[in-house]
Formats: sequence, structure tokens, C-alpha cells
Amino acid sequence: AQSVTQLGSHVSVSEGALVLLRCNYSSSVPPYLFWYVQYPNQGLQLLLKYTTGATLVKGINGFEAEFKKSETSFHLTKPSAHMSDAAEYFCAVSERGNQGGKLIFGQGTELSVKP
Amino acid sequence: DTGVSQDPRHKITKRGQNVTFRCDPISEHNRLYWYRQTLGQGPEFLTYFQNEAQLEKSRLLSDRFSAERPKGSFSTLEIQRTEQGDSAMYLCASLASGVSYEQYFGPGTRLTVT
Repeated sequence: AQSVTQLGSHVSVSEGALVLLRCNYSSSVPPYLFWYVQYPNQGLQLLLKYTTGATLVKGINGFEAEFKKSETSFHLTKPSAHMSDAAEYFCAVSERGNQGGKLIFGQGTELSVKP
Repeated sequence: DTGVSQDPRHKITKRGQNVTFRCDPISEHNRLYWYRQTLGQGPEFLTYFQNEAQLEKSRLLSDRFSAERPKGSFSTLEIQRTEQGDSAMYLCASLASGVSYEQYFGPGTRLTVT
């Protein structure tokens, strides 16, 4: 069965500092990989996804993530944090070969940005 | 607004009552998903539809839960005989199968069972 582990339920960075949110998956076949962001009392918004091709993917708001098969990881980064990045971030996977299949989410990482 | 909408946004009910939530997906999206999110956790998959057909149900979905999408457009999620453990945010998402990998999420319905 697929599973997702996000290391660190809370991450705090200073404004302008590097953001690194960690995600590891467990799956016999590399899944499709996603990062979603959730602001308070709102639904989830897709930041970026990896399905095939280039392993470094760029998303909205300056975020990017790199798929590393050997490490079963899909860590999310942003070079310089902004106050507006404070939110909950979820890594998710879905079964490869089933486009539009259900998402399996990690437990989430709350990002705080200090001025 | 052409996004996914959910109604109501908040529901407070007493234990033992039945509740029903509605989700209106993006109009051209043929797949519709329901997830449940409890405080401090990621969303958990409940069920999904392709058009009016319910393709998969999670083992989390007890017999008290039922979902329908009768005409392949909006969907309803009903919880019978609510329990305090049902308190959660219920999220709906939709997707255009064969076109996109992105599930678009609605704002959710927050259920509180007292």
C-alpha cells in the first residue's frame, strides 16, 4: 500500500530564508507526486506535480520540488520565504498508471515565517 | 465563480442526527472525490465517482456513510446517526479525467457533532 511521510509537522523560517519541506513516499512503483497548500479555512490548492519527464518541477509562487527515485523523496523548496507563504503544506501521491486516481496525503507540515 | 462549491460551509448537529452535504464540481469535470480531514491531519480519501458511477470506496466509509452522484453532476454525502468521531472537515474535489492530473478542491464543509 502507498504511504507518504512528511518529516516535521512544524517548520519555522525567517523571511528571506530557504524553505525546505520534506516528503518521502513508500510505493513499489514510483507514484505520481503532488504538493498542495492549504490556507486557514480554505480548500487545498495545487503547488506543483511530478508525473513524468524532468525530475525537477517548478510550481506556483516560486516553489519547486525534485523527484529522487533512489531516495523515494519529493522535497519542496523555495529559495526565499515570504510572509504570505505561511500555511499548511501537504505532500500527496496517487497510483502511477491511474490518471485521476485517489490521492494519499501525508500528515502535513505547518510553515511559519518570522519577520 | 467556476470553482468547486460545497454547501453548507459549517454544520453543527447533535449526536444521532442525520446530515447531508452537497458538492458542485467544476462543470466539465467527470470525476468527483470526497475526502475527510481531521484537525492536524492530512485529508483521507473516502470515495470517488466517474460520472454517476461510484468507482471506489474507502474502508473508512462505514455503513452510516453514503454518497451519490445521480446525474453525474453534483454529489451528496450523507452521514446517518452521526457520532462525535464524525466531526471533521469534509472536502470535495473534481477532475477532468484524461485531461488533467490536478484535483481541484472546494472550501470544505466543517461538521461538528455535539
